[in-house]
Amino acid sequence: GQQVMQIPQYQHVQEGEDFTTYCNSSTTLSNIQWYKQRPGGHPVFLIQLVKSGEVKKQKRLTFQFGEAKKNSSLHITATQTTDVGTYFCAGLGRAGNNRKLIWGLGTSLAVNP
Amino acid sequence: SAVISQKPSRDICQRGTSLTIQCQVDSQVTMMFWYRQQPGQSLTLIATANQGSEATYESGFVIDKFPISRPNLTFSTLTVSNMSPEDSSIYLCSVEWSGNRPYEQYFGPGTRLTVT
Repeated sequence: GQQVMQIPQYQHVQEGEDFTTYCNSSTTLSNIQWYKQRPGGHPVFLIQLVKSGEVKKQKRLTFQFGEAKKNSSLHITATQTTDVGTYFCAGLGRAGNNRKLIWGLGTSLAVNP
Repeated sequence: SAVISQKPSRDICQRGTSLTIQCQVDSQVTMMFWYRQQPGQSLTLIATANQGSEATYESGFVIDKFPISRPNLTFSTLTVSNMSPEDSSIYLCSVEWSGNRPYEQYFGPGTRLTVT
């Protein structure tokens, strides 16, 4: 079946360092979404990428969607303690006649102040 | 964005009993989803609940164990039936907006279930 792999599983950085998480799909995706889940919280939608090669920025966060629409990345510049949490990618794939989100396993980010 | 609430926020239940989790949205939505998330793990979709039709269950989940209701466009329930300790998890509902923001999902705060 369709799978979305996400690496790394964990990342520990010093505040001010950059951070990147990568997402790879076994199949072409209609779109890719990114969510952030703070410890003890629920996933919060960050962004959706639809077009091949698309790049979007939200302040210190840069999101990319690969040309083949099979991979994506989230890059955080100069991390802050408020960036702590687990970042999930989720690709929109197909299951029969239905489309469904296929979730990565997440990358847990810890930031040392 | 809309406000999504879940009840209860947490519960401790005995094995063999059932728990019904409610998800309420303050505006009408087409698609609602129920997920399960073990601590430190990713999200596992249980079923998709559309108003006016039977819920669509994912592989490994059956209606007898996880009956779902979707009586209108703002409300859904998930029942965890005949619970065992393996059902201990966080249960999340999410909604998807139609229109110009398709496929984006917004989550309720979750229900933390412990089965003893």
